[in-house]
Amino acid sequence: DSGVTQTPKHLITATGQRVTLRCSPRSGDLSVYWYQQSLDQGLQFLIQYYNGEERAKGNILERFSAQQFPDLHSELNLSSLELGDSALYFCASSPGAEHTGELFFGEGSRLTVL
Amino acid sequence: TQLLEQSPQFLSIQEGENLTVYCNSSSVFSSLQWYRQEPGEGPVLLVTVVTGGEVKKLKRLTFQFGDARKDSSLHITAAQPGDTGLYLCAGVLASGTYKYIFGTGTRLKVLA
Repeated sequence: DSGVTQTPKHLITATGQRVTLRCSPRSGDLSVYWYQQSLDQGLQFLIQYYNGEERAKGNILERFSAQQFPDLHSELNLSSLELGDSALYFCASSPGAEHTGELFFGEGSRLTVL
Repeated sequence: TQLLEQSPQFLSIQEGENLTVYCNSSSVFSSLQWYRQEPGEGPVLLVTVVTGGEVKKLKRLTFQFGDARKDSSLHITAAQPGDTGLYLCAGVLASGTYKYIFGTGTRLKVLA
């Protein structure tokens, strides 16, 4: 158990819809990272938040947005969903702002867009 | 452009065999990590290597960081079915951008 909690575990929705994925980091960790994992793309970094502020941005689409709340939990919002958005979405956390490279991952949210 | 290439992509071996997975780049990394991911779960950190030439052992797993900090290898001795999973290398670029890159992954299956 990494201490990172993600909900929901599975989500099935239709194209054009909007979903929200939730993540609670490990106790004491201030950074939250969101990753997308699909079969042909590997693990793609989307965005990092540190203590409520956006810290780094990766290959995140404009249809996607995220935020980190004062209690440090984070939400990833995916809108105008397309078939290609079907993937595993992972949240990870780490203690500091700078990337030391040691991430603790949740079990992921599997999104299926039909 | 994938900065961290792993080889092989897929590996299926018999229990008891040895294997080596490679993680290569043309870029220099400040540190490099190896993760293992099992089906339905998130990646789990196995080790971090920081110093060029560093060798770390974790039971039957041996990790090495290249002298120039551009590559790494993971060697498993006497593989067991429990070693089955996706092995990912990842690293922090030394360029000062703190950009963190994941490798392409190696899917290992160990047959009993």
